[in-house]
Amino acid sequence: NAGVTQTPKFQVLKTGQSMTLQCAQDMNHEYMSWYRQDPGMGLRLIHYSVGAGITDQGEVPNGYNVSRSTTEDFPLRLLSAAPSQTSVYFCASSPLPSGDQETQYFGPGTRLLVL
Amino acid sequence: AQTVTQSQPEMSVQEAETVTLSCTYDTSESDYYLFWYKQPPSRQMILVIRQEAYKQQNATENRFSVNFQKAAKSFSLKISDSQLGDAAMYFCAHLPGNTPLVFGKGTRLSVIA
Repeated sequence: NAGVTQTPKFQVLKTGQSMTLQCAQDMNHEYMSWYRQDPGMGLRLIHYSVGAGITDQGEVPNGYNVSRSTTEDFPLRLLSAAPSQTSVYFCASSPLPSGDQETQYFGPGTRLLVL
Repeated sequence: AQTVTQSQPEMSVQEAETVTLSCTYDTSESDYYLFWYKQPPSRQMILVIRQEAYKQQNATENRFSVNFQKAAKSFSLKISDSQLGDAAMYFCAHLPGNTPLVFGKGTRLSVIA
C-alpha cells in the first residue's frame, strides 16, 4: 500500500492562477479531509468527505473547492489563488465508522507559495 | 465549537530528562478520542499516542505517556528519557465523535544535548 499520496510536493503560483492539489489513498478509506498548516496556527480543516459524493466544509473553506467522485481521490481546487493561501496543505484519510476513525493517515504535504 | 489549547508555544528539555507538554480541550461529548502527533522537520505527521475518553487508564507507548484528566478536560504528554530525535512540533488533537479532528496550535520541543 502506498498510503496517502499528495502531488505536487511544492508549487509556486501567481495571484489569480488556478490549480488542483491531488490526494489519493489506496486503503479504501471512506473518510478524507484537507488541512492547511500555517505558522502558529496548527492544522485547520478546509473540507472533508465521509464518502464518495459527500463533502462538507471545515473551519476555513473560503477560496477552496472539493469533490469526491471516487473513494480513492479527493482533489482540492484553488480557483483564483491569493497570497493568503500560501501554506502547507495536508490530506488525511481514515476508515469509518467513527470507532475506526481514531487513526488518521496523513499524506506528506504540499507546500504552496502564492506570489 | 470544539477547541484545543496548547498553552506552551515552545519547550526545551535536556537530553535524558523528562518533559511534559500540556493540552486542554473543550467538548460537550461524553465519548471521544484524544491524540498527540509529532511533526519533525520533514513535516510528516506521526501519531505518538492516543487515548479513548471512556478508558480511565492513561495510555502509554514506550517513553511516551499521557495524563488524562477527563473532568478537567486536560490531556498532557510526558516524554521520559528525552532523546535528540524527540525534537519536533507536537500537536494535541481531539476527535469528538463523527466530526473531524480538531488540532491545537502546537508546541515546539527542543532537546538540548
